[in-house]
Amino acid sequence: DVKVTQSSRYLVKRTGEKVFLECVQDMDHENMFWYRQDPGLGLRLIYFSYDVKMKEKGDIPEGYSVSREKKERFSLILESASTNQTSMYLCASSPSMREQYFGPGTRLTVT
Amino acid sequence: GQNIDQPTEMTATEGAIVQINCTYQTSGFNGLFWYQQHAGEAPTFLSYNVLDGLEEKGRFSSFLSRSKGYSYLLLKELQMKDSASYLCAAVAYSGAGSYQLTFGKGTKLSVIP
Repeated sequence: DVKVTQSSRYLVKRTGEKVFLECVQDMDHENMFWYRQDPGLGLRLIYFSYDVKMKEKGDIPEGYSVSREKKERFSLILESASTNQTSMYLCASSPSMREQYFGPGTRLTVT
Repeated sequence: GQNIDQPTEMTATEGAIVQINCTYQTSGFNGLFWYQQHAGEAPTFLSYNVLDGLEEKGRFSSFLSRSKGYSYLLLKELQMKDSASYLCAAVAYSGAGSYQLTFGKGTKLSVIP
């Protein structure tokens, strides 16, 4: 079974803090993705990576950065958290253009 | 640009059949995914259509018409556990080996006794 894990299920941070969300997959997948999911807006792609040290912007990259130093790990960074970044964050990995395997999600609250 | 539309909510009766439609306008379209997401959980893969036609997988089937920019997910013999959100997502190549997956906002299906 493919396993995608995320560092926290729930996280509460203060405005202006730097936030790291970690995602690890154990299936040697090339592609990894970060989404956020908000009611009424659906899943929106923040960043994705198709190889180590490679990254591409998704639909809503502003206010976020990513890091992929190892194949199995893809980190999402909020440089200075703001209240409008309160959301559910979902990581996914994929071996190809087909199905994506999602992690359990991190519900981030910024106060 | 990418645009994907699906109904916000649907209700159906246990044991019945329901069809969830999805229309898309996507440049560089390559294929269409359907995912199921139960409340508070991560999405799980249901199907992926690249070619026109119907693909059946147990109680679930998915249809694609590339010329019409249209897909549907058909759920037969509905069970209470099928109550979930169903996400339609279009894949598009954006050149240089890069691709993008755009999700619709999801259809919340409620199955009632």
